[in-house]
Amino acid sequence: EPEVTQTPSHQVTQMGQEVILRCVPISNHLYFYWYRQILGQKVEFLVSFYNNEISEKSEIFDDQFSVERPDGSNFTLKIRSTKLEDSAMYFCASSVSGFGANVLTFGAGSRLTVL
Amino acid sequence: AQSVTQPDIHITVSEGASLELRCNYSYGATPYLFWYVQSPGQGLQLLLKYFSGDTLVQGIKGFEAEFKRSQSSFNLRKPSVHWSDAAEYFCAVGAGNNNDMRFGAGTRLTVKP
Repeated sequence: EPEVTQTPSHQVTQMGQEVILRCVPISNHLYFYWYRQILGQKVEFLVSFYNNEISEKSEIFDDQFSVERPDGSNFTLKIRSTKLEDSAMYFCASSVSGFGANVLTFGAGSRLTVL
Repeated sequence: AQSVTQPDIHITVSEGASLELRCNYSYGATPYLFWYVQSPGQGLQLLLKYFSGDTLVQGIKGFEAEFKRSQSSFNLRKPSVHWSDAAEYFCAVGAGNNNDMRFGAGTRLTVKP
């Protein structure tokens, strides 16, 4: 069964450093997403991406965050200057269609620890 | 925007017992409803979804959920729980006008032998 692949599975970084989390969505999917889950809290929407541009973003997704699809397969989340509160599990997801009736397929997540 | 409430943070059931996990949503129109499961160290796996039609939907691993519009609920059920069902369960709601799927806070299920 097709799956969404995320790397790295775990990254430890120092506060203020830049981090790039990578995702390979399912090949025929057109919509891409990043969610995060702070330990013990709910899964929160960060951003959705379609046709090489952001389609929606949450209030969490401020100027320190950016997303990119640098080639035909990867979808990346960059955090420019990490803060302690960025420590979380970051989930990438993709879907064939967009909007409410979309079934998202999630990756296993990338755990980010900011020291 | 849509929102989801999962009233139970943690539920413990005995193996073989029945299970019901509660989910209430808030959305002005017909929602798209999902249940996901997250096993320790794993990603989110879709259990089932409701878009329209029959309000009782069947999912994987023997789970089912019933959409009740009058109660704004989408409770997840399983008649007989297995030890391998121990995990975190998330209810989620999508809306017709945005790409922002909202998740509940999750219910952690513990299964006693």
